[in-house]
Amino acid sequence: DQQVKQNSPSLSVQEGRISILNCDYTNSMFDYFLWYKKYPAEGPTFLISISSIKDKNEDGRFTVFLNKSAKHLSLHIVPSQPGDSAVYFCAASATSGTYKYIFGTGTRLKVLA
Amino acid sequence: DAGVIQSPRHEVTEMGQEVTLRCKPISGHNSLFWYRQTMMRGLELLIYFNNNVPIDDSGMPEDRFSAKMPNASFSTLKIQPSEPRDSAVYFCASSLMGKETQYFGPGTRLLVL
Repeated sequence: DQQVKQNSPSLSVQEGRISILNCDYTNSMFDYFLWYKKYPAEGPTFLISISSIKDKNEDGRFTVFLNKSAKHLSLHIVPSQPGDSAVYFCAASATSGTYKYIFGTGTRLKVLA
Repeated sequence: DAGVIQSPRHEVTEMGQEVTLRCKPISGHNSLFWYRQTMMRGLELLIYFNNNVPIDDSGMPEDRFSAKMPNASFSTLKIQPSEPRDSAVYFCASSLMGKETQYFGPGTRLLVL
């Protein structure tokens, strides 16, 4: 059973427009969420995170929104750039100091020039 | 800093053979994680260590899989005997215990024929 779900395997967006990547989770004990970005032949790299005490966290062009009642989070990239083309993984943790993350299956974003 | 180092980067082997994947975490990091990435299941946590001690190996799929961390700068993931369904990309990641961000290595792409 997938506790973290990314239901869109791929997404294409025009350069300069907004990219919205979605993630749903089922475990109400999750209290910390992250997004990682992965380029081909490289390991995932940390992008942005959010704690369950917040509903929004922003870092430059990247904003993560958390809707706890819906068990849903999203990553917004504005404006999208061709270099943002990558696979994006959502991850969640019922922290308690373990940082044991459950990852989704990823969404491949393609930003068209 | 060299980052997390994994070897080999690619491994092709025949069913029934033993496979050993190696990882050198970032110097000073005291948590180490082994993940497996497949198309169907995304990134799955196999096992993680804190201060060289295995904390949670509930993600290890079968007894054919074993992991060790003999010291703070080296870990191995062994599959014996290997099977075609073990074909995947295996990532190692490290972090400072108590810190959220995990730093991933480039991965080992394993193909079992």
